[in-house]
Amino acid sequence: DSGVTQTPKHLITATGQRVTLRCSPRSGDLSVYWYQQSLDQGLQFLIQYYNGEERAKGNILERFSAQQFPDLHSELNLSSLELGDSALYFCASSVAGGGQGYNEQFFGPGTRLTVL
Amino acid sequence: AQKVTQAQTEISVVEKEDVTLDCVYETRDTTYYLFWYKQPPSGELVFLIRRNSFDEQNEISGRYSWNFQKSTSSFNFTITASQVVDSAVYFCALSLYRDDKIIFGKGTRLHILP
Repeated sequence: DSGVTQTPKHLITATGQRVTLRCSPRSGDLSVYWYQQSLDQGLQFLIQYYNGEERAKGNILERFSAQQFPDLHSELNLSSLELGDSALYFCASSVAGGGQGYNEQFFGPGTRLTVL
Repeated sequence: AQKVTQAQTEISVVEKEDVTLDCVYETRDTTYYLFWYKQPPSGELVFLIRRNSFDEQNEISGRYSWNFQKSTSSFNFTITASQVVDSAVYFCALSLYRDDKIIFGKGTRLHILP
């Protein structure tokens, strides 16, 4: 158990809908990262938050947004869902903000999103 | 740009055989980190190893060993005497000193046949 929790574990929804994925980092970790694992794109970095502020952005679609709250949990919002958004979404957390050497990331169990 | 290539999409071997998973990376940065992760059928990502760019020592952990060669930009992973429980998707990955995002290869699906 990495100490990172993600809810829900599974989510099934329809095209055009909006969903929210939640991540609680390990106690003491200030950074949260979101990754998407899809059949087409593989495992790719979406976005990083550090202590409430966006720190880095990857290949995140404009229909997707994220935020990190004062209690450090993070939510990933996916809107106008398409079939291709079906994927496993991982959250990871780390102590520091990055850019200063190795900053170990601990991965949560993932949320499997199915868009029908 | 940074890139990780795992040329082997899928490998099948019979139990007790040795198997090597190949990984080639690209980066112009001089300080970086390389990783291997295992993703069993249950879906979670299991961290196996991290190597920094200044440490080319090979590492052995039980039946697992890793061969890092900067000259060929490769970080290969060998499982000795494979077992059915080793069946999983294995990801090689790269991150840089100057930022945290992890760049993953496409993964190699390993089937260990009884």
